[in-house]
Amino acid sequence: DAGITQSPRHKVTETGTPVTLRCHQTENHRYMYWYRQDPGHGLRLIHYSYGVKDTDKGEVSDGYSVSRSKTEDFLLTLESATSSQTSVYFCAISDGQGQETQYFGPGTRLLVL
Amino acid sequence: AQSVTQLDSQVPVFEEAPVELRCNYSSSVSVYLFWYVQYPNQGLQLLLKYLSGSTLVKGINGFEAEFNKSQTSFHLRKPSVHISDTAEYFCAVASYGGSQGNLIFGKGTKLSVKP
Repeated sequence: DAGITQSPRHKVTETGTPVTLRCHQTENHRYMYWYRQDPGHGLRLIHYSYGVKDTDKGEVSDGYSVSRSKTEDFLLTLESATSSQTSVYFCAISDGQGQETQYFGPGTRLLVL
Repeated sequence: AQSVTQLDSQVPVFEEAPVELRCNYSSSVSVYLFWYVQYPNQGLQLLLKYLSGSTLVKGINGFEAEFNKSQTSFHLRKPSVHISDTAEYFCAVASYGGSQGNLIFGKGTKLSVKP
């Protein structure tokens, strides 16, 4: 298995509070991604990174920010959590885009009350 | 822009029966195609991918898929399923190069294998 960990694995928070999810990799892959998974929607890309301090928006980026200060860590922040952000969040890594396989972490279940 | 349609949200099948999970894509440029599997409470893992060459691609756990450019399809098949194949399967597409190389996923098909 690719060395990807996500923390926390489960979190319950209240509307309006800030939340940060962490993705850590030991594979030295250049690309890192944050997805959210919701029933009936599959996986949707939130943000991705193509290098340290290099990030870009995905399909559903509103309400989320990211940071990558080291190759191995990619942080996803919900500045002010809303109930619509209740979801399962997956981090993925890859050596490149296009033909390169993405390897997924175990996921973080977030419940916003 | 690309899009992926998985035609069945749920597929029930009996053990040892064959199965086909259907996937159609839309893209104005050439694409790479993927099938991922997600077992309960786990992340996704790659089953197989089509990059170029032979249109029949073999993957792990006895699965295979056939790329059909004229029908813009990439259907996943297995001749005989096991209980352990119960999972959700996602078709995904990525185009050549640039930010369009990001994966676009279908909404998933839940395969339920019954004894």
